[in-house]
Amino acid sequence: EAGVTQFPSHSVIEKGQTVTLRCDPISGHDNLYWYRRVMGKEIKFLLHFVKESKQDESGMPNNRFLAERTGGTYSTLKVQPAELEDSGVYFCASSQGLSYGYTFGSGTRLTVV
Amino acid sequence: GQSLEQPSEVTAVEGAIVQINCTYQTSGFYGLSWYQQHDGGAPTFLSYNALDGLEETGRFSSFLSRSDSYGYLLLQELQMKDSASYFCAVRDISNTGKLIFGQGTTLQVKP
Repeated sequence: EAGVTQFPSHSVIEKGQTVTLRCDPISGHDNLYWYRRVMGKEIKFLLHFVKESKQDESGMPNNRFLAERTGGTYSTLKVQPAELEDSGVYFCASSQGLSYGYTFGSGTRLTVV
Repeated sequence: GQSLEQPSEVTAVEGAIVQINCTYQTSGFYGLSWYQQHDGGAPTFLSYNALDGLEETGRFSSFLSRSDSYGYLLLQELQMKDSASYFCAVRDISNTGKLIFGQGTTLQVKP
């Protein structure tokens, strides 16, 4: 079984530019979560999809962040325009149902300069 | 709100035993999980405790005391490959599945 795949693994962009992160969950997993870890701090929840529907986006920092999951398969997280404080590692996780152990991707390390 | 506290760094030698503590504050509780993350890698689920007591999985054990809002991860027979960050996490009180993580403990294993 393929794991959770995230692309790109690294991205360096300038302040004001746009970046789109992609997550391919494990096939058949309805639940998809986005998290972010800013340097040295905790991993923080961003949002949760069940299939193509946003169940909880309470963790999204502001309206510069837009997440989609068209067709309930892969998901994208767009940051537009990027700011310096958006730098961090963005993780995606998926599960079939509510679980205590999720499968995470290796993350996208975003650096905004 | 919910919050978790764990030490930022722990250092131990190969072959030793190390304990990583986690205290939490939460208005609802659905169990304590532990994740391991090697630098640049994916957080990997290690263990889960819903009830008080010790859960053992090979060299790793996890303990929970709900009355003390406290848990720990115990790593025995440390190996160099155990050098990583370890996160404790609880499920949010909304019980939608989202996790609240501690800040992570960086474990350095020395020869």
